[in-house]
Amino acid sequence: EVEILEFGGGLVQPGGSLRLSCEASGFTFTSYAMSWVRQAPGKGPEWVSGISVSGDRTDYADSVEGRFTMSRDNSKNTVYLQMNSLRAEDTALYYCASKKSGIRPFEYWGQGTLVTVS
Amino acid sequence: EIVMTQSPATLSVSPGESATLSCRASQSVRSNLAWYQQKYGQAPRLLIYDASARATGTLARFSGSGSGTEFTLTISGLQSEDFAVYYCQQYNYWPRNTFGQGTKVEIK
Repeated sequence: EVEILEFGGGLVQPGGSLRLSCEASGFTFTSYAMSWVRQAPGKGPEWVSGISVSGDRTDYADSVEGRFTMSRDNSKNTVYLQMNSLRAEDTALYYCASKKSGIRPFEYWGQGTLVTVS
Repeated sequence: EIVMTQSPATLSVSPGESATLSCRASQSVRSNLAWYQQKYGQAPRLLIYDASARATGTLARFSGSGSGTEFTLTISGLQSEDFAVYYCQQYNYWPRNTFGQGTKVEIK
């Protein structure tokens, strides 16, 4: 059974930092690119960042470029999101999502971890 | 950035009836369009990908169509478990994938 678990959310002051973790199981982790997708209350999902299967390529939304850093540890089936210089507009539920390599949608999602910047 | 516009924002439907949801892209995304269902307190769940292919576990009453800039999700014979929010997503311009703002399907 596929399971994706996110950790690390919480309440942080503007300008502060948080590190999110995402642990995956039940699928071949090394065959999936991973992303963080966030959703503010009452809004649609917003892609935040993505990392390739090997971890050699990362991409970021303009809104977080230079402040967030995504990484992965394939030995632990885990991805991370280091979030610095947090702003009120970063407040959202952060989901970890997976997709197969190539032009593909998100196949598996975690249940999310809440980040509140206030 | 590709803007995805969904309509209507809210759709009131009686159980057993059909619902038609629309999604428009600001420029062509070919057939690289997905639909997700999100129930309250849950993560989005992939329903349809490549505009018309059902994801694993998606029932036959859900069908997708369209290409380019105009897409439709049709739910035939709505069941109680289908009342939820539905989002479209373009993934043609990876990694710059974008979602619509959602259509809420509610009980009439």
